[in-house]
Amino acid sequence: DVKVTQSSRYLVKRTGEKVFLECVQDMDHENMFWYRQDPGLGLRLIYFSYDVKMKEKGDIPEGYSVSREKKERFSLILESASTNQTSMYLCASRQQGNTEAFFGQGTRLTVV
Amino acid sequence: AQSVTQPDIHITVSEGASLELRCNYSYGATPYLFWYVQSPGQGLQLLLKYFSGDTLVQGIKGFEAEFKRSQSSFNLRKPSVHWSDAAEYFCAVWISSGSARQLTFGSGTQLTVLP
Repeated sequence: DVKVTQSSRYLVKRTGEKVFLECVQDMDHENMFWYRQDPGLGLRLIYFSYDVKMKEKGDIPEGYSVSREKKERFSLILESASTNQTSMYLCASRQQGNTEAFFGQGTRLTVV
Repeated sequence: AQSVTQPDIHITVSEGASLELRCNYSYGATPYLFWYVQSPGQGLQLLLKYFSGDTLVQGIKGFEAEFKRSQSSFNLRKPSVHWSDAAEYFCAVWISSGSARQLTFGSGTQLTVLP
């Protein structure tokens, strides 16, 4: 089975901190995604990556950056965390071609 | 830009009743379509997908969905709902056209099942 692992289920950070959310997949997938999930808004795409060292902005990239130095790992970075970035963050990976995305369990981030 | 609309924020049905969750998409070509389910505290699990071919697709847990090109819809159905189906359901589309590649989700429909 495909496994997408997010390093933390729950995080509490202070305003202004630099925050790293890590995601690892074990199936050699080319594509990886970061979404945030908020009530009533569904999943909104922050960034995605077609392959190693490649990244594209999604719908809401402001305040975030990403890193993909290795194929299996896709990191989401909050340069200076703010309270409006309190949310559930979901990572997904997908094999190139006509396939579905597989999701991690999510990281619930609270910024205080 | 492509978009996905789930017009029903919350649906309540009785156990054993039939269910239909609506999904409409906005895109010029035929997209790849998915339905995911999210139980409380869990990640997203794929229920079914449509890429091409037969417009009625069968998924896990007794769910099915029908792609209707003329209506730009991909509605999810189940003939008899079980209490364990209570969850949030998301419709998603994968668009791959030229340099545009994106997996876009609807805002979700929360399903409550009454005993």
